[in-house]
Amino acid sequence: GESVGLHLPTLSVQEGDNSIINCAYSNSASDYFIWYKQESGKGPQFIIDIRSNMDKRQGQRVTVLLNKTVKHLSLQIAATQPGDSAVYFCAVQGAGNNRKLIWGLGTSLGVNP
Amino acid sequence: DAGVTQSPTHLIKTRGQQVTLRCSPKSGHDTVSWYQQALGQGPQFIFQYYEEEERQRGNFPDRFSGHQFPNYSSELNVNALLLGDSALYLCASSLRLAGGQVRVTQYFGPGTRLLVL
Repeated sequence: GESVGLHLPTLSVQEGDNSIINCAYSNSASDYFIWYKQESGKGPQFIIDIRSNMDKRQGQRVTVLLNKTVKHLSLQIAATQPGDSAVYFCAVQGAGNNRKLIWGLGTSLGVNP
Repeated sequence: DAGVTQSPTHLIKTRGQQVTLRCSPKSGHDTVSWYQQALGQGPQFIFQYYEEEERQRGNFPDRFSGHQFPNYSSELNVNALLLGDSALYLCASSLRLAGGQVRVTQYFGPGTRLLVL
């Protein structure tokens, strides 16, 4: 079956540094990818998305990169702030008739002051 | 503009009992999805409702059922509760576009934390 995985369960960065969170997926036909942020005690919050016809998309302080060749996507957070501390999930939409979102396990980002 | 709301926020039940969780979607949204999130895990898709019908279902037993009302709000029912049903239950809403395609960008509520003893 389809799967989505993250390389690191936890990541610790210094405030002001850039953060990079990685995600790998198994189905090469997947065509839509989303990053969510989940703070403690809250539901996931949409950050940024990208479709398979793009390889890069930028938002405010965030950039998502998609490498379809190796089935890998990453979330880059510029100038990481304490408020960025959360668990980050990538979610991948299945291809064809299966349009369910498949979620990774999440990376817990900690920001050191 | 109200976001997704869920009730109750917390719930404690015992094995074998039944539970009903409620969700109101974001204003303007017509599609509701339910997820189960165990501690330290990503959300697992339970099912999705649109036009008061279950449209998609994840790998969950029939003990998990749902309903969507004409105002797009939704309920998740779980019968014969097991200890393993303890989790955060998330509701997400989205908008189905013309032609039936759903925008998968979903907006989540804060969740209902269920503890089964």
